[in-house]
Amino acid sequence: AQRVTQPEKLLSVFKGAPVELKCNYSYSGSPELFWYVQYSRQRLQLLLRHISRESIKGFTADLNKGETSFHLKKPFAQEEDSAMYYCALRGGANNLFFGTGTRLTVIP
Amino acid sequence: NAGVTQTPKFQVLKTGQSMTLQCAQDMNHEYMSWYRQDPGMGLRLIHYSVGAGITDQGEVPNGYNVSRSTTEDFPLRLLSAAPSQTSVYFCASSQGRYNEQFFGPGTRLTVL
Repeated sequence: AQRVTQPEKLLSVFKGAPVELKCNYSYSGSPELFWYVQYSRQRLQLLLRHISRESIKGFTADLNKGETSFHLKKPFAQEEDSAMYYCALRGGANNLFFGTGTRLTVIP
Repeated sequence: NAGVTQTPKFQVLKTGQSMTLQCAQDMNHEYMSWYRQDPGMGLRLIHYSVGAGITDQGEVPNGYNVSRSTTEDFPLRLLSAAPSQTSVYFCASSQGRYNEQFFGPGTRLTVL
């Protein structure tokens, strides 16, 4: 069975501070992981996926198979980063399984 | 392109009523899916479709029916609404199962 855990429901950081949103997963196969973001009054949208190994809006995430983690990081948080962030795993039957989400608030 | 559209945006039902949540996409995507979002639960997959005429169950299919008669439309039917189905429902589509999913704006459903 697959499972995605986001231990923090809420996370507040000051503008300019580093931010890390935690994601741990459980999956017996080869995982494919994503971060989705939902800004206020906007749709849920893909932020990044681990296979792309890219930085989007200053965010990066590295898949650590040993620790079964896919934490989202940004060195300097901006006010516009305030949003709801979901970690997701492509699991059995190739459908997406989402974590419960972390609401990030960046304090000016 | 309008992308993924959902109607209605809000709906209130009484227990036992039936209704259909509409989802349409104009991107010619083969894969479409329905999720429900509940506080503290994240998004959970209800049903999905890999193409017209093909549907399958997701993680929480009970109480819901779907059909896919066209590539564009993927309606979700609540057969007999229950308070436990109070939720926000999201429809998503992608070119294929492995591609980026695009989400609709959601439908907030309350069952009294």
